[in-house]
Amino acid sequence: TQLLEQSPQFLSIQEGENLTVYCNSSSVFSSLQWYRQEPGEGPVLLVTVVTGGEVKKLKRLTFQFGDARKDSSLHITAAQPGDTGLYLCAVKTSGTYKYIFGTGTRLKVLA
Amino acid sequence: DADVTQTPRNRITKTGKRIMLECSQTKGHDRMYWYRQDPGLGLRLIYYSFDVKDINKGEISDGYSVSRQAQAKFSLSLESAIPNQTALYFCATSDADGAEAFFGQGTRLTVV
Repeated sequence: TQLLEQSPQFLSIQEGENLTVYCNSSSVFSSLQWYRQEPGEGPVLLVTVVTGGEVKKLKRLTFQFGDARKDSSLHITAAQPGDTGLYLCAVKTSGTYKYIFGTGTRLKVLA
Repeated sequence: DADVTQTPRNRITKTGKRIMLECSQTKGHDRMYWYRQDPGLGLRLIYYSFDVKDINKGEISDGYSVSRQAQAKFSLSLESAIPNQTALYFCATSDADGAEAFFGQGTRLTVV
């Protein structure tokens, strides 16, 4: 079983639509990260959320950490083709600093 | 030049062959990681190293071995490749605070 489950696994939408993707776990984390991976590239960090209930915005992307620090969501407003990619949530295990990644949501935004 | 460089970028090999994937970094980070990526499974940790003398197994280390030749170099070996090791492999680094993982561009490995 995966520590971090992401949903949906795939999402194909039209340019201009809004969307939300989710990252869920039964474990509590001190922080959670979101990465985006474009074709042919490695993942790149978008944001780190630390406090339960925290909301961070990055242009049209809004990230929220659940109150209980077990889950997170990523909302994209007015999606654009440039948002296409694989979105991965990740947590860093305390002490050992291993990064554990979620199953990923593959987003395709059609022009 | 990329901060984290993986070679080769693509490789096709036969079942039973030994293959080495190489990773080098110019970020000066002590921590290095090897992940494999499969569709629907995200990134799974194979091995990680926190310095030249410290190497640890990840979730899926069976069938793999690693070597940390220097702070900047971390190699992944498949001693006897099998088809279900066909995947995209990523090397990553992080600093002592572990605030962010920096990834290479990946190596696409196909075992036939």
